[in-house]
Order: sequence, then structure tokens, then C-alpha cells
Amino acid sequence: GAVVSQHPSWVICKSGTSVKIECRSLDFQATTMFWYRQFPKQSLMLMATSNEGSKATYEQGVEKDKFLINHASLTLSTLTVTSAHPEDSSFYICSARWTSGSEQFFGPGTRLTVL
Amino acid sequence: GDSVTQMEGPVTLSEEAFLTINCTYTATGYPSLFWYVQYPGEGLQLLLKATKADDKGSNKGFEATYRKETTSFHLEKGSVQVSDSAVYFCALDSPTNAGKSTFGDGTTLTVKP
Repeated sequence: GAVVSQHPSWVICKSGTSVKIECRSLDFQATTMFWYRQFPKQSLMLMATSNEGSKATYEQGVEKDKFLINHASLTLSTLTVTSAHPEDSSFYICSARWTSGSEQFFGPGTRLTVL
Repeated sequence: GDSVTQMEGPVTLSEEAFLTINCTYTATGYPSLFWYVQYPGEGLQLLLKATKADDKGSNKGFEATYRKETTSFHLEKGSVQVSDSAVYFCALDSPTNAGKSTFGDGTTLTVKP
């Protein structure tokens, strides 16, 4: 199956700093990428939908100025957590699909810890 | 809106026991249905899927049948192994929801030797 990678797999940062997480589709072109957040022992919460070449669509309650999403190419989307705080600590997962209606392929996730 | 309801966990079974994890859904139109598995510290992996009524998805001994009349997609396996211990998510993709997926809350399965 298709492969989606995330980098880094884990990151620890100080409060107030910004962290960038990359999501790459390695063997297919992803017209759409999704960013999710997962709290311990909970389901995935969709944060935003990212389409190549256009602005991301954020879910209700997600601060677009805090979670900056860029989908610059058909194989790369980035999530930047700006001015991170301890409450932003979480497991961030991206997924990608090559066309509407096709299945999603998930990245392995990035564990963010903000001290 | 769309929703997915999964059997609450956690579920603990002995090796070789029969597994059922219930999943029911509410959606407009004709959704595709999925089961994903998440091992500790990892992202989600597609386990199986079904795209239309009466389709049966199967993989690694797991099966689920798309039942439109009961709006269900229950996951079953005849004989679980310790390596099946993970969190299982039922999900749907609705053509009327801008390509977004709706996930259930997940069911944690622990299989003991």
C-alpha cells in the first residue's frame, strides 16, 4: 500500500517556541491531506483538511493562527504549532489521499511534548 | 451529521477466543466503511474496508460485513492472538462530507496468553 511518513516522530520543546511537523506521501501524489490530533486513549480529532495549492480548511474550534498548515506540493504538507504551550502536547497524525473517494493512508504520528 | 458508534472497551480476551467489536453508523448517502488498527505509539493502519452494502471486507483473519439494513459493520475474528492487542477504530467516509472521515471512539483489545 501507499506510504505516508511524518517527521519528526517525536519532539520535545520549550513553551513559547514553534514546532514544524512534516507529512510526506512517499509513493503517490496526495491532493488532500488531513491533520488529526489524538489525546491519550481517545479517538482522532480532525483539525484541518489541506488541499494542495489552496488554504487549509479548519474544523470548528481549531485556531488557524496557532496551527499553521501549508500544503505546498502534492507530496508534502506541514503543520506548524506556533507559540506552543503544554496543553498543545499531544499525538499529531496526518493522512493523505490521492483523490476524492479514495482511502486515506496514515502517517505514523508525531508525539509533541511541550515543557 | 455523520456518526460512528463503537462498542465500549476495553475488551480483554484469552488467546484463540472469538472476537466481536460492534460498530453502527449514521450517515447520509452511501458511505464507505473502514476498520483501522492502531498499535501502541503508532499511527493508524487500514485493516479492512467495504464500499457498498453486503460487501465483506477481510484481512489477517478479521472480517466485517457492510449491513445497510442494520447500519452496522461489526468486526469479527475467529481466533485472536496476543499480537492482535491494539486499538481498533471503525470509520466511515461519506461522499457528502467533503471527503472527511468520521471515526468511532476506538476499542482497546488486549489478548492474554
